[in-house]
Formats: sequence, C-alpha cells, structure tokens
Amino acid sequence: DAKTTQPNSMESNEEEPVHLPCNHSTISGTDYIHWYRQLPSQGPEYVIHGLTSNVNNRMASLAIAEDRKSSTLILHRATLRDAAVYYCILRATTNFGNEKLTFGTGTRLTIIP
Amino acid sequence: GAGVSQSPSNKVTEKGKDVELRCDPISGHTALYWYRQSLGQGLEFLIYFQGNSAPDKSGLPSDRFSAERTGGSVSTLTIQRTQQEDSAVYLCASSLLASGIYEQYFGPGTRLTVT
Repeated sequence: DAKTTQPNSMESNEEEPVHLPCNHSTISGTDYIHWYRQLPSQGPEYVIHGLTSNVNNRMASLAIAEDRKSSTLILHRATLRDAAVYYCILRATTNFGNEKLTFGTGTRLTIIP
Repeated sequence: GAGVSQSPSNKVTEKGKDVELRCDPISGHTALYWYRQSLGQGLEFLIYFQGNSAPDKSGLPSDRFSAERTGGSVSTLTIQRTQQEDSAVYLCASSLLASGIYEQYFGPGTRLTVT
C-alpha cells in the first residue's frame, strides 16, 4: 500500500485557519486521498476525500497538489472541538484487499483557546 | 438517520471466558469492517465483510477471533478464551460498498477489559 507522511503534532489558535499537510509521493493514479479524524474517546470520523480536484464540504476543504504527491486538509476556522488526531489515508479502488483503512500515526492537532 | 451502533459499550470479562461483540451498520450499507485500538496504540484492521462474505480476514490476530455477518446486516465478533492482551476498544464501521471511493462510518466502539 502507498504510504503517507504527516507531522506528529501541530498547534493552532482558536478561530484561525489550520492547514494539515500530508505527503504521499508513491500514490498511484487510482488512489483516493481520505482524511479521518479521531476525537478523544471517540471512534474515527470521516472528514473528506478526493481524487484529483480540490474538494469542499461542511467540515473542511481538501487541497490536492497537481502532481498528487501531497495534499492539505484545511479547517477554515478552528474550534476547540477540532482538537483531534487527523489521519491521511490512501485507498486504492482497483486492487482486491485494499478496501480496509490503514491508519498511520496521524497528526495530533491541539487548539489553543 | 441512525448511525452505526455497537453493543455493549463496555465489557469486563475474566481471562479465559468467551465474549461476543455486536455491530449494527447503517441501513443499506453492504460493507462492514472491524478494527481495534489498544491503549495508546493506533487503529488496526481485523476483518471486513462485503454482504455476508468476508474476503479479507488478514487482520484477525489468532484463531480465537472469529466474526460473522447474517442477512447482510448485523455482525458479531467473537473472541474465545480471552486473554489480557485482547483488552482494547473494538470499533465497527460500515460503508455503502467496499471500495476506496466510499467513506466509512464508525460506531462508538466496545471497550473490552479482560481481567
């Protein structure tokens, strides 16, 4: 499976935008880029995913580099509730057995009031 | 609508006993996944179902672990002769289809403690 690299931790001030980077230099053409987050004492929560174009939803935006070797999850206005571990995951769509999510260590985001 | 539900939310059992953990996926979701998260550890995949079939059981840690899904809906994860290292939060997720195109929705988990 193609791997992703994320910073172990990041801090951001409340009510400011947050940019969470992810490197995936070995991504294949059919891999989707998924982001999940896990709030303390909760199960993971889907955030957003995309293939090539930038994506927006009510939770966040996903900016994908033109060569797809990196992406950035953007939280437009961080709140204390956004403090969580954020996981960037590549998911293949053509190979049997890649349907599972393979979680790395993620980025622990701390929001400073 | 209703999300993924799991029961029980907490389970304390003695070493050597069998336990059953239940997962109710989102209605209409054909794919169902089991993961576990040990204290301070990351999430690890256990098994997934597409319908009632389990194409990938590669994550089951030993033959003490088994899972089934009936009617394309509810799934049960069974751990026989529990050991202390089985203590973890067991998470279930469901997805419309088992494909990288679709997101997975997670339940709240079952916290298993083996004493």
